[in-house]
Amino acid sequence: GAGVSQTPSNKVTEKGKYVELRCDPISGHTALYWYRQSLGQGPEFLIYFQGTGAADDSGLPNDRFFAVRPEGSVSTLKIQRTERGDSAVYLCASSQDREGEQYFGPGTRLTVT
Amino acid sequence: GNSVTQMEGPVTLSEEAFLTINCTYTATGYPSLFWYVQYPGEGLQLLLKATKADDKGSNKGFEATYRKETTSFHLEKGSVQVSDSAVYFCALSEVRGGYQKVTFGTGTKLQVIP
Repeated sequence: GAGVSQTPSNKVTEKGKYVELRCDPISGHTALYWYRQSLGQGPEFLIYFQGTGAADDSGLPNDRFFAVRPEGSVSTLKIQRTERGDSAVYLCASSQDREGEQYFGPGTRLTVT
Repeated sequence: GNSVTQMEGPVTLSEEAFLTINCTYTATGYPSLFWYVQYPGEGLQLLLKATKADDKGSNKGFEATYRKETTSFHLEKGSVQVSDSAVYFCALSEVRGGYQKVTFGTGTKLQVIP
């Protein structure tokens, strides 16, 4: 069946611009996670959704980052006033429930120039 | 807090060589341990896991044993292939705040040459 998908696969934007990154989880998965993977590093947790609500957003680096999941399926990670330090691969994962194995998408590579 | 430390890469091996990638962890509770693999241009894939002490996870010829006494989960393979070239991430997860919170190591790049 279909796995986790993310769009776009690559995004280049100028410093100061606003970007949206989309994640389509595996159908039926109630839990959704966003991670950020900087060059040469492992993924770092950003936010976790259970259903429509953000149950843990403690990993979001600052208030320029925001994520939504309005219908409990697709999620969008939003970054305002992008900075060069935001350049990274943003990974999305989903799991059947909050304690299940996480399945990862291919990521969106964000480059801020 | 929880942390994972794995050996730095890149690791370059000839085909059919023996592979070890070291991983140690620090955790406050009783985590599950994982190895993920990221092939070029692809997403993270779960390679193997172990959920309690002395468990051995295995898949595709790779194996790792959960060693509580040394807080380690070293990845091994007896004979690597060119197709094993990828980045390998050690990770742990614990149920925190009612969900699986995963902590990753920095990754080890493996290059296997023919």
